[in-house]
Amino acid sequence: DAGVIQSPRHEVTEMGQEVTLRCKPISGHNSLFWYRQTMMRGLELLIYFNNNVPIDDSGMPEDRFSAKMPNASFSTLKIQPSEPRDSAVYFCASSSQQGGNQPQHFGDGTRLSIL
Amino acid sequence: GESVGLHLPTLSVQEGDNSIINCAYSNSASDYFIWYKQESGKGPQFIIDIRSNMDKRQGQRVTVLLNKTVKHLSLQIAATQPGDSAVYFCAERRPGTYKYIFGTGTRLKVLA
Repeated sequence: DAGVIQSPRHEVTEMGQEVTLRCKPISGHNSLFWYRQTMMRGLELLIYFNNNVPIDDSGMPEDRFSAKMPNASFSTLKIQPSEPRDSAVYFCASSSQQGGNQPQHFGDGTRLSIL
Repeated sequence: GESVGLHLPTLSVQEGDNSIINCAYSNSASDYFIWYKQESGKGPQFIIDIRSNMDKRQGQRVTVLLNKTVKHLSLQIAATQPGDSAVYFCAERRPGTYKYIFGTGTRLKVLA
């Protein structure tokens, strides 16, 4: 079974550049989550969508961050302009909210380095 | 702010022994808990979950115990294998939301 697919796996870019991270959730899942992981802060929820609609974006650090989910099978997280402190591993996760408690399933992340 | 298991301790276990990984959660109203395993360069992988109306759940080689009185969660791994070496996270879900709070995890090292 295909899990959550993220691209690119690694991204290295200079500060000030626009960065776009992509995610394809598991087919049939109707909730999608973007997380950021750093050594200092662990896993932080940035935003989550339910049925393609952003429900909670309180974790988005600044206006430089934006996320979209144009359809049930695709989401993007964009940083513009990027800064060195944005360097982290960004994970996308999806879950099915049908039938009660369902765990989130994570992709393998995008390791982002801003120089 | 509230948090789940902020510290990142390391647990070293001899291969074949049982491992117990502990987690303290912060919100007594949390209604659902998950254990994840994260290997280097990969995303967190679901291991086992438990609802707040249960105190124990067993899977294949793993058992999760929930003590709501002291807001404590543990993961027991039987006959620990080298492939179990990873960072283990517990996560709690805030009631009425799809929001999970993750701890910083525990690193498990399996010694041959």
